[in-house]
Amino acid sequence: GAGVSQTPSNKVTEKGKYVELRCDPISGHTALYWYRQSLGQGPEFLIYFQGTGAADDSGLPNDRFFAVRPEGSVSTLKIQRTERGDSAVYLCASSLGQGPGNTIYFGEGSWLTVV
Amino acid sequence: EDQVTQSPEALRLQEGESSSLNCSYTVSGLRGLFWYRQDPGKGPEFLFTLYSAGEEKEKERLKATLTKKESFLHITAPKPEDSATYLCAVRGDSSYKLIFGSGTRLLVRP
Repeated sequence: GAGVSQTPSNKVTEKGKYVELRCDPISGHTALYWYRQSLGQGPEFLIYFQGTGAADDSGLPNDRFFAVRPEGSVSTLKIQRTERGDSAVYLCASSLGQGPGNTIYFGEGSWLTVV
Repeated sequence: EDQVTQSPEALRLQEGESSSLNCSYTVSGLRGLFWYRQDPGKGPEFLFTLYSAGEEKEKERLKATLTKKESFLHITAPKPEDSATYLCAVRGDSSYKLIFGSGTRLLVRP
């Protein structure tokens, strides 16, 4: 596609429920990132994929958060036993490669509200 | 620890009133400093990447500059459509992730 596509754009869920957020990166981009942005703050890194493998998951806040990218393209961020503090915008981004000269492009985000 | 601080938090300008946004950073081995624009309810939109002190890049009314400790985003004769949050981020040599500041919310009044 022309840009990074994220679904759903908005999700309201009850505390304790399981949530999946999907990201479809720009075609041909091998690097994929997940970030989380709270109101009034900059995006915070969660996890980075190079191909199918998670090269850096140091930003995942706890073991309720998990992400996969089984075929090296689409990625899913999975949140178990959601808490109200998980409410935020979850941003996906991709780049052509992993080197610093590769521009990182962001999607529009998935707005998650836990009630 | 890599860190980015942006100032001011918010800035109100009259149309045509030029100003600058500041991004101060500390990073182990700068691999790039990035400026993004973010409109309400949207994802960050890439503007510039700067790699070394002394480098400058321009796009329409925006000009980004870089020193060893900070970057400036100069806005010349802004228009209301320039109203947005401007985010600064750095990438160090220790990882592939971007470290973002909290952004500067710019409002340009007609």
